Amino acid sequence: GAVVSQHPSWVICKSGTSVKIECRSLDFQATTMFWYRQFPKQSLMLMATSNEGSKATYEQGVEKDKFLINHASLTLSTLTVTSAHPEDSSFYICSARAPGTANSPLHFGNGTRLTVT
Amino acid sequence: DAKTTQPTSMDCAEGRAANLPCNHSTISGNEYVYWYRQIHSQGPQYIIHGLKNNETNEMASLIITEDRKSSTLILPHATLRDTAVYYCIVRVARSNSNSGYALNFGKGTSLLVTP
Repeated sequence: GAVVSQHPSWVICKSGTSVKIECRSLDFQATTMFWYRQFPKQSLMLMATSNEGSKATYEQGVEKDKFLINHASLTLSTLTVTSAHPEDSSFYICSARAPGTANSPLHFGNGTRLTVT
Repeated sequence: DAKTTQPTSMDCAEGRAANLPCNHSTISGNEYVYWYRQIHSQGPQYIIHGLKNNETNEMASLIITEDRKSSTLILPHATLRDTAVYYCIVRVARSNSNSGYALNFGKGTSLLVTP
C-alpha cells in the first residue's frame, strides 16, 4: 500500500510556457502532500507543503506565484510551474504520509523531470 | 531536527552485508531515525525507521546505539540493485496525526555495490 503516483514522468517545454505536474495518492487519502525539487548531483530540497482545502505553505526563497500548488481533493495535488525558464529545469518529486500515526513514513512519487528549452 | 552525518560514499561487494553508518549525536528523545534510498532518476524509497529499538523488515535492519547518538543501516546481502544514495534523516514526531511533516534530506551516502 501507500503508493504515490506522479504524472508526467518527464516533460519538455519552451521558455515562457506553463507546465502542470500531478501527484496522486493511489490507495490512501492525504490531507498533506509535499513538493521537493532536486537539481543534478544535489539532494532533495523541500519547496512547499500542499494542504487539502487551504493554501499551500512555501519554503523560504520559493516563489508562490511561480510555483502554483492546488490540493483540490484528498488524493490529488498539482504543481504548476508558470512562465517556465531554463533555470526551472529540475527533477520535481512529491510525497505524502502513509496513513497511521504521525510517525508513519513519507512515500514518494517517482518524480517528474522537467526540461525547459 | 537533529543534524545527521554520513560518509559520502561506500563500496560493498555483491552478496556481502552493507553497513551504512549515520551519526546523529544531537538527537533528542522524541526524534525518530528514518532511512530512505534513491536510485538514480527515481523518487526516494522508504526503507525503515525506528526510535530506540532495533528494527528489521524485509529490506533491511536498523541498529540504533543505546545512547541513540548513532545508527547503522544493514543490508544483509547486497545486490547490484542496491546501488543508490542512502539518506539517514532524523525527525521529531508530531503528536497531532492529522498534520503532515516534511523530511529534510542531507547529502546521504552513495553506496556502490560491485560484482
